[in-house]
Amino acid sequence: EAGVAQSPRYKIIEKRQSVAFWCNPISGHATLYWYQQILGQGPKLLIQFQNNGVVDDSQLPKDRFSAERLKGVDSTLKIQPAKLEDSAVYLCASSVLRGGNTGELFFGEGSRLTVL
Amino acid sequence: SQKIEQNSEALNIQEGKTATLTCNYTNYSPAYLQWYRQDPGRGPVFLLLIRENEKEKRKERLKVTFDTTLKQSLFHITASQPADSATYLCALGNQAGTALIFGKGTTLSVSS
Repeated sequence: EAGVAQSPRYKIIEKRQSVAFWCNPISGHATLYWYQQILGQGPKLLIQFQNNGVVDDSQLPKDRFSAERLKGVDSTLKIQPAKLEDSAVYLCASSVLRGGNTGELFFGEGSRLTVL
Repeated sequence: SQKIEQNSEALNIQEGKTATLTCNYTNYSPAYLQWYRQDPGRGPVFLLLIRENEKEKRKERLKVTFDTTLKQSLFHITASQPADSATYLCALGNQAGTALIFGKGTTLSVSS
C-alpha cells in the first residue's frame, strides 16, 4: 500500500514570496490533515479536511495560508506571502476513520520550508 | 488553554535498560491517547493507542499506561536497543473527532 506522498521535500524562498505544498493521501482515507512542525516542537494542526470539506481550520493563519482538497483526494497548502516564522516542516497526514476519531494518523515525510 | 508536557526534551539510557517517557496534560479530557515515533527528517509513525477506559496496552517491547485521574500517560520501552533512539511524541484526541494535539516530544538516545 502506498503511503502519504508529499512534494516538494525541500523548499527555500525569500520572505514575501509564495510557496505551495502538495499532498496525496492514502487511497480511501477520508480525513486529511496539514500540520506545521517548527524545529524542536511537536506538530501543530493547521487544517483538517473530511472528504473535501473543512472540519477545523481554527489555527490556520488565514491572512497568508490557504488550503484546498479538491474532489476529496489530493490537497494543496499555500503560503502567500511567506514570513520568516513560517520556516518549518509541513506534514500531511491522513486517517481512514471518518472524523479522525481514534484513527491512527499516517504521515508523509514532510515538506521542509526555509524562509530567508 | 490545553497543555501537553512530555517529561524532558532528552533522555539518555544504556542498552538493555527500560526507558520510561512521561506525558502529562492539563485543561483537556481526552478520549484516547496515541504515541508516535519520529526519526530525524521523517514523518511521525504511529506506535500505540490507548483509550480513556483502558489502564494499560502492550505491543512487543512497548507498554503504555493511561491514568485519567493523574492526567498522565507513561510509555515504556523494555530491553532498549540503539535502534530505539528517536523522538517520541504523545498525542491526545477527544470524542468530538477533532484532530490530535501533540506534545513537543522526548528525544531518546540509547547507547551501546
